[in-house]
Amino acid sequence: QSVLTQPPSASGTPGQRVTISCSGSSSNIGSNTVNWYQQLPGTAPKLLIYSNNQRPSGVPDRFSGSKSGTSASLAISGLQSEDEADYYCAAWDDSLNGRRVFGGGTKLTVL
Amino acid sequence: QVQLQESGPGLVKPSQTLSLTCTVSGGSISSAGYYWSWIRQHPGKGLEWIGYIYYSGRTYYNPSLKSRATISVDMSKNQFSLKLSSVTAADTAVYYCARKSVTTDFDYWGQGTLVTVSS
Repeated sequence: QSVLTQPPSASGTPGQRVTISCSGSSSNIGSNTVNWYQQLPGTAPKLLIYSNNQRPSGVPDRFSGSKSGTSASLAISGLQSEDEADYYCAAWDDSLNGRRVFGGGTKLTVL
Repeated sequence: QVQLQESGPGLVKPSQTLSLTCTVSGGSISSAGYYWSWIRQHPGKGLEWIGYIYYSGRTYYNPSLKSRATISVDMSKNQFSLKLSSVTAADTAVYYCARKSVTTDFDYWGQGTLVTVSS
């Protein structure tokens, strides 16, 4: 059972806007920043969003992140076939003397 | 361009110690501002943080591993390592090494290495 809760799946058609949610608690999302990762099939995860809404160099502005209270969201606009991947949220959790936690992942299918 | 590469046995017997090394190229492991990390992914499952070591040598571990994990650095070889003791089948996973920047997060990853625990 993951500390951060994500829907197991999401889908959209090319060009559409999709959002993926990540729900946590006061000890993680509520008091720390959220990061998002994209994992294409058979590859290592790639940092997509850090500090809730910042994009690393090279990440298209189609990807955006937001946070409110103990929840966060990743939005992908202008959906493309190459966006089909698993997406993970991550945050620091202040419980148990501190630990990094990840969401269970959301598999995005581009129909 | 920073690159990370995991190496180590792909098969470990139950109750033994899993040992992996991550070789870093394109950057110094002794540079300030980075945590050198191990993360694993059970087959078909999500990501699990194992721990990381700061360039100063301070370590941080996932409490769920109950002190079985040890991360160390060899600055002379620009490598860092993971030892996970008393392994069981539940430790079968793809193990990734990664660099965590203090300003962003896990920004560079190795390709991952599958470790199977089986007799």
